[in-house]
Amino acid sequence: QVQLVQSGAEVKKPGSSVKVSCKASGGTFSSYNFSWVRQAPGQRLEWMGVVIPILGTATSAQEFRGRVKISADESASTAFMELSSLRSEDTAVYYCVSEYCRGGSCYPNWGQGTLVTVSA
Amino acid sequence: AIQLTQSPSSLSASIGDRVTITCRASQGISSALAWYQQKPGKTPKLLIYDASSMESGVPSRFSGSGSGTDFTLTISSLQPEDFATYYCQHFKSYPYTFGQGTKLEIK
Repeated sequence: QVQLVQSGAEVKKPGSSVKVSCKASGGTFSSYNFSWVRQAPGQRLEWMGVVIPILGTATSAQEFRGRVKISADESASTAFMELSSLRSEDTAVYYCVSEYCRGGSCYPNWGQGTLVTVSA
Repeated sequence: AIQLTQSPSSLSASIGDRVTITCRASQGISSALAWYQQKPGKTPKLLIYDASSMESGVPSRFSGSGSGTDFTLTISSLQPEDFATYYCQHFKSYPYTFGQGTKLEIK
């Protein structure tokens, strides 16, 4: 299975943007979809969106539309999640998840997570 | 969007107990469901995928079952390292939502 390494922790000001990267190795990048999941302190897991490199498409959860951009650079085997107009409630650990999906079966694999802190 | 409802939200149990956690989907999702274990400050760990397929290296006391709308995660004999929060997630259609979690605590 592909190995995922995410970029390091970030501290951002309210109103700014953050871009988190997720580099995949050990597999064929275009064979996977890459979802982003976040978890605020003490809260549940929250699915944000997905990029499908083989199709060149991305979609996001309704609550993040207009603020999140999920993309992938196949040449660099890297997926990205950019969140804008940051507010304190966006303080969370952001996870990249590779999904190997075939015929209704999906196998997920998680990155190590990236802590994003939004503070004035 | 498909909603997942876990029950119970929290559970107290003793070492050696048999424990069952339920995940109910708001519409049919075939077998497109995974179960995770998460300990404080750690990345969720995959236990079960495709509703009943065990991830490599997961102890055999863990098992998953169900299809359609009703799913269960069973721990046959609780061990000290099993006290954690458990989540289900579906992979039927976007958004791939999660259940709210079940916190398993020591009685």
